[in-house]
Amino acid sequence: EAGVTQFPSHSVIEKGQTVTLRCDPISGHDNLYWYRRVMGKEIKFLLHFVKESKQDESGMPNNRFLAERTGGTYSTLKVQPAELEDSGVYFCASSQDQPGVGGELFFGEGSRLTVL
Amino acid sequence: AQSVTQLDSHVSVSEGTPVLLRCNYSSSYSPSLFWYVQHPNKGLQLLLKYTSAATLVKGINGFEAEFKKSETSFHLTKPSAHMSDAAEYFCVVKGQAGTALIFGKGTTLSVSS
Repeated sequence: EAGVTQFPSHSVIEKGQTVTLRCDPISGHDNLYWYRRVMGKEIKFLLHFVKESKQDESGMPNNRFLAERTGGTYSTLKVQPAELEDSGVYFCASSQDQPGVGGELFFGEGSRLTVL
Repeated sequence: AQSVTQLDSHVSVSEGTPVLLRCNYSSSYSPSLFWYVQHPNKGLQLLLKYTSAATLVKGINGFEAEFKKSETSFHLTKPSAHMSDAAEYFCVVKGQAGTALIFGKGTTLSVSS
């Protein structure tokens, strides 16, 4: 069974440019999450989809970040325009059930974003 | 608000010796707690979880953790370290509202031969 797949694994862009990160969850997982780790900081929650609906987007830092999950399958996270402080590793995770009720999150390997 | 504090940013052990990675939590109610591990260039993997059942939780690869409410701790232990245990370990608590997981800053475990 394929795990959570993220693309690209590493992206280097200049300040002001746009980047789109993609996540393919494990097939059948309705729950999809985005997390981010900025250099030297904790991994922090960005948002949670249940199928195509945003269940919780309380962690999205600002309106330069746009997440979508059309059709309830893969998800994209767009950063436009990118700023230096957006550099970090973006993790995607999926689960059948939500955490705290027995649901285990399966994480991808992350997409490393470097903004110059 | 929920939070976790990992008391050591880096722990070094010799192969075959015990491992102890410390984590304290803060929660206004009975928390759901997890330990995740990340090996280099890999995704985060769940080691074990506590969700108010048995206080001693056994996980994969010989790891276990004990939930101690009186000490607000959830330390991760392993009797005998293996070279393949070298990785970064994260103590995690589920947030009270929503479904967000709250991560500690991570502890890097080094294992020498």
